[in-house]
Parts: sequence; C-alpha cells; structure tokens
Amino acid sequence: AQKITQTQPGMFVQEKEAVTLDCTYDTSDQSYGLFWYKQPSSGEMIFLIYQGSYDEQNATEGRYSLNFQKARKSANLVISASQLGDSAMYFCAMREDPFRNTGNQFYFGTGTSLTVIP
Amino acid sequence: DAGVIQSPRHEVTEMGQEVTLRCKPISGHDYLFWYRQTMMRGLELLIYFNNNVPIDDSGMPEDRFSAKMPNASFSTLKIQPSEPRDSAVYFCASSLLARVGSSNTGELFFGEGSRLTVL
Repeated sequence: AQKITQTQPGMFVQEKEAVTLDCTYDTSDQSYGLFWYKQPSSGEMIFLIYQGSYDEQNATEGRYSLNFQKARKSANLVISASQLGDSAMYFCAMREDPFRNTGNQFYFGTGTSLTVIP
Repeated sequence: DAGVIQSPRHEVTEMGQEVTLRCKPISGHDYLFWYRQTMMRGLELLIYFNNNVPIDDSGMPEDRFSAKMPNASFSTLKIQPSEPRDSAVYFCASSLLARVGSSNTGELFFGEGSRLTVL
C-alpha cells in the first residue's frame, strides 16, 4: 500500500483565490510527522509546513495551512490568496515515528502540479 | 549555517563512464538521504544513512549503484558503469532526528540537486 497518496496530478487556481491540495497517508505508528514541500521549476525542494501527529491544532505558516484530519488520515495543504509564484509542484511527505532512534525514512507522494492563472 | 551542498550541479557523461556525486550534509545532522527524481518515476529514495551507517539501500536500482558515507560531513553516490536510463536529478538531503521536547520537526533539508545526463 502507498504510504502517501496525492490524487491530483494537476490543479489550476485563479490568482488571489484559495486552493486545497489533497494528501492522504497510511501508517500504524501513533507518532509521525507530516510535511509539505514545494518544488518550483528551478528544481529546488523547499520545506513549507509541518504537522506532528500529536499536534492538536492545524499548522499554519503564513499563507499555508495544513488541514489535519487524523481519523481520516488526511493532511491537505491549503494555500490562501494564491500568487503567480505559487505555481510549482507540491509534495506531501511523512516520517513515521520521528522519535524512534533507529532508522526511519521519509515517504513522499507523487506530487501535485499547481498552476496559478492570472 | 550552510545548507546541504551537492556537487557537481550538472554532469554530462557518456554511457559506460563512472559517475560520482558528492554531498556535504548540514553539520550535526543525524540522517542523510539520497533521492533520484525523474518525470516517469517521480522522487525515489535510493539509500539513507543514520550516523554514517547505511540503514536501507533497498531503493538502489542495481549493483551499478553504490553509496558511502565515510564520515559525518561527506557522502558519495557512485554509478559504474553509467547508462542513459540513469539520467535524472539526484538529490541529497539531511535531517536531525526529532526529539521529544525539542522544536525540531525532523524535516528534510535538500541540496540543490545534481542533474545527470548520460548519453
């Protein structure tokens, strides 16, 4: 089974509108971390936002917020007031039990390509 | 603090040649990861290290690929012999292990990638 599923290969949003990028995950760990990364056309991977499994409140970072629904195992990224510079590929990722002292890898989804339309 | 440093940024080589990609992780990080990214296969984990020890190399495509981490500040990914299907962007990333009570999230810090083209 896929650890991270992103079902939207491509999304379009009008400039200044909000957009939600979907992410579901699969883990049996109680402690885990969820991450979103942005990859613009220049290729670098930029960390956007983090949600810990024990965090009771949804994470927010500026125009980014993470809609965390633990029971549904979803961690959707919400970008408010979209800007042209938000056009990029977005990856959802999970790290299982980050406090485990032995190896734990990151799992990445296949990504969603977001295009912001002027 | 300097980020993850990868070299070379671009490499063009001919089939059959040896390729060595290099990575310097962020000082103090426990973990180092090598990823490969292609349009067809997306982002694939090749191998990762914890405290310089390889933990999982099940993503390494075949025996032509090898990775080493001789010390905490340096890792290499070697392809010998290279083939056209190895053409991809190779990312190195490092992280700290998240610890209870710390503000560290355990996020991955990526290098800028090494774009490999094998002709």
